[in-house]
Amino acid sequence: GAGVSQSPSNKVTEKGKDVELRCDPISGHTALYWYRQSLGQGLEFLIYFQGNSAPDKSGLPSDRFSAERTGGSVSTLTIQRTQQEDSAVYLCASSPKGLAGGPRNTGELFFGEGSRLTVL
Amino acid sequence: DAKTTQPTSMDCAEGRAANLPCNHSTISGNEYVYWYRQIHSQGPQYIIHGLKNNETNEMASLIITEDRKSSTLILPHATLRDTAVYYCIVRVPTEGANNLFFGTGTRLTVIP
Repeated sequence: GAGVSQSPSNKVTEKGKDVELRCDPISGHTALYWYRQSLGQGLEFLIYFQGNSAPDKSGLPSDRFSAERTGGSVSTLTIQRTQQEDSAVYLCASSPKGLAGGPRNTGELFFGEGSRLTVL
Repeated sequence: DAKTTQPTSMDCAEGRAANLPCNHSTISGNEYVYWYRQIHSQGPQYIIHGLKNNETNEMASLIITEDRKSSTLILPHATLRDTAVYYCIVRVPTEGANNLFFGTGTRLTVIP
């Protein structure tokens, strides 16, 4: 597809279970971001990838959260032993390659529709 | 990234111009001002960005003060579909640079 695709769109799980959330960025976009948005709140940064590496993992809230990206494309966010406070919409965004401030890179992030996680 | 300050909420009559302010008094010289919006249950959507000159596109206009410490997003003829949370962000747009800090934004309600 033309946009950022996330799956599943909705996930309901029981406390203590592991979940995997998937993000398919726009083809050719080298940067990929994960955010979390709790009900009525702003976006909370989790992690960002440049290619397959993650230079900034500072936003991951605990060691139960991990993410990987393979082939410079698809990324998976994994939450182990889910807790009720993990309930949120998890948003993925990607941005294209280009020189700073150059015409090919406006710095714009393209977001997916999110994965809504509910932990019972 | 510099922090921004926005009003929590605003109302605007349908068909009128919506003017959304943003303060970014600690903005540095190489940081751009970006605006995104988030319609209910959707991911954020890019609107416009600028460095120091005023900018206009098909969605909106961006007015940046000469000292760059504040800016205003203008939706010239607001429609009901413009009801959303509007985020003002400042950042350096380098490839894969650090994340965008979205804050809580301004909830704009367009009233029929």
